Amino acid sequence: GAVVSQHPSRVICKSGTSVKIECRSLDFQATTMFWYRQFPKQSLMLMATSNEGSKATYEQGVEKDKFLINHASLTLSTLTVTSAHPEDSSFYICSARIPGRQETQYFGPGTRLLVL
Amino acid sequence: EDQVTQSPEALRLQEGESSSLNCSYTVSGLRGLFWYRQDPGKGPEFLFTLYSAGEEKEKERLKATLTKKESFLHITAPKPEDSATYLCAVQAGTGGGNKLTFGTGTQLKVEL
Repeated sequence: GAVVSQHPSRVICKSGTSVKIECRSLDFQATTMFWYRQFPKQSLMLMATSNEGSKATYEQGVEKDKFLINHASLTLSTLTVTSAHPEDSSFYICSARIPGRQETQYFGPGTRLLVL
Repeated sequence: EDQVTQSPEALRLQEGESSSLNCSYTVSGLRGLFWYRQDPGKGPEFLFTLYSAGEEKEKERLKATLTKKESFLHITAPKPEDSATYLCAVQAGTGGGNKLTFGTGTQLKVEL
């Protein structure tokens, strides 16, 4: 399967600060990457679809000014949580599809964010 | 709205005790149904993609099947290392774009 990495794996920050999470496709180029959030005991919820070279598409209820997405290259998408608050504490996971390889999404290892 | 319901929420098996996990779904034109395994604190690991009713796929002790309303993940003679949360997700073919809708998972524990 495809390899997707994320950095950092864990981050603790103070309320009001911004946090950047990186998602990289290591062995393929991804024109589209996806950002999910998972709260304890809940399912993964799609936050936004990141498109290389264009604006991200956000799901209903997700604030685009709070969760900034930049997909600057075919192997890197970043999610910046701006002015983080304790309620933003969650497990953030990215995924990517291999172009031409049908619909399967391959997920990164996730980033645990704790906002104090 | 696409919906995915997984059952049971949790399942405890003895090593070697085969069982099945259920994923019921409602979707506007199924483009694909996906099974993933998720270990605590990790991202989901891809297992299977199923596209049409009647399709089956196997990998080691796991076998996934699909009907028009549900999918089953059969686990044959499980081992403790099969302990994980198993997630089911669907992708709609009509206006759904690339969105995956996930169930809440079945937490499987296999004991010696």
